[in-house]
Amino acid sequence: GENVEQHPSTLSVQEGDSAVIKCTYSDSASNYFPWYKQELGKGPQLIIDIRSNVGEKKDQRIAVTLNKTAKHFSLHITETQPEDSAVYFCAAKGWNSNSGYALNFGKGTSLLVTP
Amino acid sequence: GAVVSQHPSRVICKSGTSVKIECRSLDFQATTMFWYRQFPKQSLMLMATSNEGSKATYEQGVEKDKFLINHASLTLSTLTVTSAHPEDSSFYICSARGALLSESPLHFGNGTRLTVT
Repeated sequence: GENVEQHPSTLSVQEGDSAVIKCTYSDSASNYFPWYKQELGKGPQLIIDIRSNVGEKKDQRIAVTLNKTAKHFSLHITETQPEDSAVYFCAAKGWNSNSGYALNFGKGTSLLVTP
Repeated sequence: GAVVSQHPSRVICKSGTSVKIECRSLDFQATTMFWYRQFPKQSLMLMATSNEGSKATYEQGVEKDKFLINHASLTLSTLTVTSAHPEDSSFYICSARGALLSESPLHFGNGTRLTVT
């Protein structure tokens, strides 16, 4: 099955700086890569996603890049703000013999943006 | 955007009792719903996948008789933790996907914090 590795596990940046979170995946057939933001005590919220036919996608301060050959994708947050502090999860859609297509999550990155 | 509502947000129950958690898609029809479990500071672990009108598919190591899942309509799935024990205490999160399986993103509810005393 799909294996998703995420780094770093914790990241601390100063307000205004950029933050980059990287993920790798193992299943070359995976074709959908969402990123989720989870605040304390809440469910994950989809912030951006990318499909395998696209190399980069941007939405205001957030961008995601995908390198299919290397099987890695990254989340870039520019001009970080304290409210960006949260846990971020990457995921890859792969085939699960039990449930069909399912999302496999990375272990999360705890981002702290200090004023 | 797509909204998934999960209820209750928090529940405390005594050991041996059962707890039901509801997951509703509010503005779209969810042909597939997923149930995840999350331990503190850890990632989401898929427990089971449910398709409307059919039996849920459980991941390896998840007891189907303990975690009963019902997906009776295109907007509602329920997870019942039967005969709960303290080790079942966790954060349970549902997610739902629309009819276009290959194209729809996954939307999550806000989770249910279960504490078994």
